[in-house]
Amino acid sequence: AQTVTQSQPEMSVQEAETVTLSCTYDTSESDYYLFWYKQPPSRQMILVIRQEAYKQQNATENRFSVNFQKAAKSFSLKISDSQLGDAAMYFCAYRSALIANNDMRFGAGTRLTVKP
Amino acid sequence: KAGVTQTPRYLIKTRGQQVTLSCSPISGHRSVSWYQQTPGQGLQFLFEYFSETQRNKGNFPGRFSGRQFSNSRSEMNVSTLELGDSALYLCASRKGGPNTGELFFGEGSRLTVL
Repeated sequence: AQTVTQSQPEMSVQEAETVTLSCTYDTSESDYYLFWYKQPPSRQMILVIRQEAYKQQNATENRFSVNFQKAAKSFSLKISDSQLGDAAMYFCAYRSALIANNDMRFGAGTRLTVKP
Repeated sequence: KAGVTQTPRYLIKTRGQQVTLSCSPISGHRSVSWYQQTPGQGLQFLFEYFSETQRNKGNFPGRFSGRQFSNSRSEMNVSTLELGDSALYLCASRKGGPNTGELFFGEGSRLTVL
């Protein structure tokens, strides 16, 4: 079964600085998707960034970028120029590209605090 | 475009009661998934529905059930509530079918069982 591990329960960053959140996953599949979701306090979960496993190029979305290492099964999220609004729980998620096994698996989450 | 809507947002029940939660997906999305979120267990997959059929099911007891209607709206039901069922229940939708992208989440229904 696929598992997602986020080894950092909590992280802290100074406003305007850069922070990297770690994620590793375990799978025997070759075709899958990886995601980072953000869940602000008492607000809904929203997608930050996604990566298709077949793409070698790392995904970027404005201040957010990933370091996808397929062989190492690692998928870290880098937040540049951190803002107060980035404070939230961040979840790494995996979804198989196979139809029969298509539910999304989430890591335990990393709580990010942004200090002014 | 309206997002995923979940009702009720908050509810309190007592042990042994049952509860029904509702989810309206984004217009045009045919797949609806349900997740249970708790501080101890994190996000756990309950089930997914597509075109009124359950496509996938997580490792939860039979007290947890769901269904999807022809308009893609979904409900989940928990019978004989236990204290451990207290959680945030999240509904998420996507266009459906294989390899069709990310989930869009609702704000959740927070269930407290006393």
